Amino acid sequence: GIQVEQSPPDLILQEGANSTLRCNFSDSVNNLQWFHQNPWGQLINLFYIPSGTKQNGRLSATTVATERYSLLYISSSQTTDSGVYFCAVTKYSNDMRFGAGTRLTVKP
Amino acid sequence: EPEVTQTPSHQVTQMGQEVILRCVPISNHLYFYWYRQILGQKVEFLVSFYNNEISEKSEIFDDQFSVERPDGSNFTLKIRSTKLEDSAMYFCASSSRGEQYFGPGTRLTVT
Repeated sequence: GIQVEQSPPDLILQEGANSTLRCNFSDSVNNLQWFHQNPWGQLINLFYIPSGTKQNGRLSATTVATERYSLLYISSSQTTDSGVYFCAVTKYSNDMRFGAGTRLTVKP
Repeated sequence: EPEVTQTPSHQVTQMGQEVILRCVPISNHLYFYWYRQILGQKVEFLVSFYNNEISEKSEIFDDQFSVERPDGSNFTLKIRSTKLEDSAMYFCASSSRGEQYFGPGTRLTVT
């Protein structure tokens, strides 16, 4: 099945810093989503981005489908951005495959 | 904004007992899913459901698991005889096509 790799596995930032999280996938996909898992365990939809670039406030994402990767940018990070960020993909099916996540800690 | 809801938020059960986890998908969605996340691990697909039948299932989804859409709004996951290793967060999701929307999860603890 399709493999999803996220990097880095852990990231510690000072409040106000910028960061880039990466998601590589092993095959072409028809759906890619980024999620933020908050400290209560809830999965919050950030982006549905099978290709192209989207922005939502301080967050933006770019997926280059032909090169099989996606990037999530967080600018001016805040302590509330802490948590685990997951990338997940599907390929012609509804079986969404998740990466192992990037654990982000933003320190005040 | 419409959202997926799940009940209960936390369920504690004894090994060998049956549990039913409930979900109310977004009303105009046609595809429904269950995922689970064992503590500290990645989210794993269990099953997808469309047109009143299972469309895909993973190897995790064995005979101990079943899903049902008993009426026009609810979508349930039943575990017949729980094991310690079933302890996890269970997420329900729904979609019309493409983007999947996740519920807040039910944390299942099997003792």
